[in-house]
Amino acid sequence: AQTVTQSQPEMSVQEAETVTLSCTYDTSESNYYLFWYKQPPSRQMILVIRQEAYKQQNATENRFSVNFQKAAKSFSLKISDSQLGDTAMYFCAFGDGAGSYQLTFGKGTKLSVIP
Amino acid sequence: DVKVTQSSRYLVKRTGEKVFLECVQDMDHENMFWYRQDPGLGLRLIYFSYDVKMKEKGDIPEGYSVSREKKERFSLILESASTNQTSMYLCASMQLGGSEAFFGQGTRLTVV
Repeated sequence: AQTVTQSQPEMSVQEAETVTLSCTYDTSESNYYLFWYKQPPSRQMILVIRQEAYKQQNATENRFSVNFQKAAKSFSLKISDSQLGDTAMYFCAFGDGAGSYQLTFGKGTKLSVIP
Repeated sequence: DVKVTQSSRYLVKRTGEKVFLECVQDMDHENMFWYRQDPGLGLRLIYFSYDVKMKEKGDIPEGYSVSREKKERFSLILESASTNQTSMYLCASMQLGGSEAFFGQGTRLTVV
């Protein structure tokens, strides 16, 4: 079974600054996906960024980027130029690439962007 | 855009009542999921379905059942609601062969 650990229950960052959210996971699979999902106060969970394990290049989506360290089983999210709208719960998730399609989530990090 | 719609945002039920939480998706996705979200525990999978009339237990199925009579609709059933089922419930769908899950807006259920 896979496990996903987010060691930072809460974080805060000043507007326009950069923040990094940590995530580690444990798996014996070689083919899998990793995700960061965002859940703002409105509750709609939306995908921020996705990384395929077989790709060495770190995924990037505008101000969001990841640092994927496969050997260390680490998958951190960096948010650059933080904006007030980034205030949300952030969940790291592991997806089994073998076809079960289940996602295993971490417990989440509550990020507050301070004006 | 993919749309996953849950029938209620807020629901208050009494202990012992039978509760139905409905979820509909409009993108013809094969896979559908019910998660429970509690503070400090993240999201935990209750049940999922990969086809009509097919269902699989997730990590915390006790006290719940599901129904999938049509591809677009996946219902979560609490046969006899209890106070420890007070929680946020999230429905999600995923395309066969896909990797991204699309979520509904969540239902905040309170059992009194």
